[in-house]
Amino acid sequence: GEDVEQSLFLSVREGDSSVINCTYTDSSSTYLYWYKQEPGAGLQLLTYIFSNMDMKQDQRLTVLLNKKDKHLSLRIADTQTGDSAIYFCAESPASKIIFGKGTRLHILP
Amino acid sequence: DGGITQSPKYLFRKEGQNVTLSCEQNLNHDAMYWYRQDPGQGLRLIYYSQIVNDFQKGDIAEGYSVSREKKESFPLTVTSAQKNPTAFYLCASSISGVHEAFFGQGTRLTVV
Repeated sequence: GEDVEQSLFLSVREGDSSVINCTYTDSSSTYLYWYKQEPGAGLQLLTYIFSNMDMKQDQRLTVLLNKKDKHLSLRIADTQTGDSAIYFCAESPASKIIFGKGTRLHILP
Repeated sequence: DGGITQSPKYLFRKEGQNVTLSCEQNLNHDAMYWYRQDPGQGLRLIYYSQIVNDFQKGDIAEGYSVSREKKESFPLTVTSAQKNPTAFYLCASSISGVHEAFFGQGTRLTVV
């Protein structure tokens, strides 16, 4: 079946790195995604990784993909107060997009 | 400006009434989706459509209906059969089912 799991909460001090982890079940997904949701708004695509890649870096964001373990992570370097949001991992098997429950990132001063 | 628009942002209805949520996109995307978001539940797929005049049920389709008569539009009707309709509803579109999805700003439906 299709399922995406991620922890619900993460607290990080401002300036530290945040690492949000995700596991997925469907190995046929061509792309895996990270989305960000701010309060009362829709989801915004942060980054994505093609399934034949191990790593992708985009400014402060680093995505790591372990296909063998079906594990995806998002690292945010130098976490800022503006990074406070809910982060969703998503997989895209067979014509639909399946989301995890989201990880709420809380920034400590 | 290209994008995906949901309207209205807030909607109130009395229990027992059907209500239709609008979703329009001018991105020329083939695929469109409806999700429901409840606190602590993440996004759950209600219906999706890969092409005009065709749509499939998602994980929680009961009590909902959709139509896809035009490529640009994918309205969602919340019927009186939906037992717990109060939620935040998100519409999305993508070039195809395996590409990134673009989201609208959501409609918060409250049924009293």
